[in-house]
Amino acid sequence: GQQLNQSPQSMFIQEGEDVSMNCTSSSIFNTWLWYKQEPGEGPVLLIALYKAGELTSNGRLTAQFGITRKDSFLNISASIPSDVGIYFCAGPWTGNQFYFGTGTSLTVIP
Amino acid sequence: DVKVTQSSRYLVKRTGEKVFLECVQDMDHENMFWYRQDPGLGLRLIYFSYDVKMKEKGDIPEGYSVSREKKERFSLILESASTNQTSMYLCASSLPPADGNTGELFFGEGSRLTVL
Repeated sequence: GQQLNQSPQSMFIQEGEDVSMNCTSSSIFNTWLWYKQEPGEGPVLLIALYKAGELTSNGRLTAQFGITRKDSFLNISASIPSDVGIYFCAGPWTGNQFYFGTGTSLTVIP
Repeated sequence: DVKVTQSSRYLVKRTGEKVFLECVQDMDHENMFWYRQDPGLGLRLIYFSYDVKMKEKGDIPEGYSVSREKKERFSLILESASTNQTSMYLCASSLPPADGNTGELFFGEGSRLTVL
């Protein structure tokens, strides 16, 4: 299957700090998705990206579709305690399947 | 809102037992998926289904089977549970990607299985 490498694996930050994480693929993707999984819940879609170079925001979250189409980035500005969770990138392998990154676990210290 | 419901949030089973994990979605989605989530490994696809009675293997199908007798229901079966199947299992559903539709997956809350 596809390999999506996500980094960093975990982050411990102070409230108010900015966060950056990225995801790289061994293949070209036409879509990148970013999900967040809160403790005890299933992942929920945050941002969807459809075009190389695209930059999309959702509140304090900003995601970019890398121009090589093999990578994507997620930034969170001015983190707050409710940002805690695991963030996953995902990309479609075929029209219906998605492959997920290994996840970035975010802890925000008040 | 799309609702994906997994029948059991927590299960404890013994080695060799047969385990059924049930998943129901209420949005008439064609596609349904079972993933396994383990620390450091992310979400790995076990099986998926595009339609009733249709199933396809994902990356890690060994030790698992699935059943999709009705469109809204997708079951994951562990014929003989083993300790290395202790994990979080996530069910998801989606529409096929099309104009105006990302094909995004909607997930259930997960079923945490412990095999002793």
